[in-house]
Amino acid sequence: GESVGLHLPTLSVQEGDNSIINCAYSNSASDYFIWYKQESGKGPQFIIDIRSNMDKRQGQRVTVLLNKTVKHLSLQIAATQPGDSAVYFCAENKNFGNEKLTFGTGTRLTIIP
Amino acid sequence: GAVVSQHPSWVICKSGTSVKIECRSLDFQATTMFWYRQFPKQSLMLMATSNEGSKATYEQGVEKDKFLINHASLTLSTLTVTSAHPEDSSFYICSARDRALRTQYFGPGTRLLVL
Repeated sequence: GESVGLHLPTLSVQEGDNSIINCAYSNSASDYFIWYKQESGKGPQFIIDIRSNMDKRQGQRVTVLLNKTVKHLSLQIAATQPGDSAVYFCAENKNFGNEKLTFGTGTRLTIIP
Repeated sequence: GAVVSQHPSWVICKSGTSVKIECRSLDFQATTMFWYRQFPKQSLMLMATSNEGSKATYEQGVEKDKFLINHASLTLSTLTVTSAHPEDSSFYICSARDRALRTQYFGPGTRLLVL
């Protein structure tokens, strides 16, 4: 069946280090991906997105990599800060006509001071 | 830009009462809004998709008579939990899709506690 899953449910990183959060998806028809950050008690916050015609996209301190061959998505956060501690979700969208997002299970990132 | 608000942010009510939650896109027009439910330490579960001016599309297993959705304008959608019961207690989150983009922007969520 279709699924968007994450390899690791929890991740602890020393402050200042880089972190990588991984996501696997199974639907080869997915052509749009989004990473969200959710802090405790709040709604998900858009971080970065990428379309399937790209392999890499960079934002401020964040980079998303897409490997369509192995259906893998990753979020890299550079120079992590305490405020980066949150749950990170990847989400996929199959095609422009289907507006639904399929969410992964989430990875809790903890930044160690 | 791309700000979505929800009101109220939390609500406590007695069993049997109805609760209305509002979702507004503040700086963009949203032809489509989505309503999610989230249990502690779990991912988001899509409840329904709401298109402006038409009936909402509910996901399998979601009772449309229990969760009434109205999308009266391009900036406002409401979710009414009718005859709420303790098992309806949850974190409800809406999102709005900019009519020109594919990205969904989320509201801050509404925590509902039914006693």
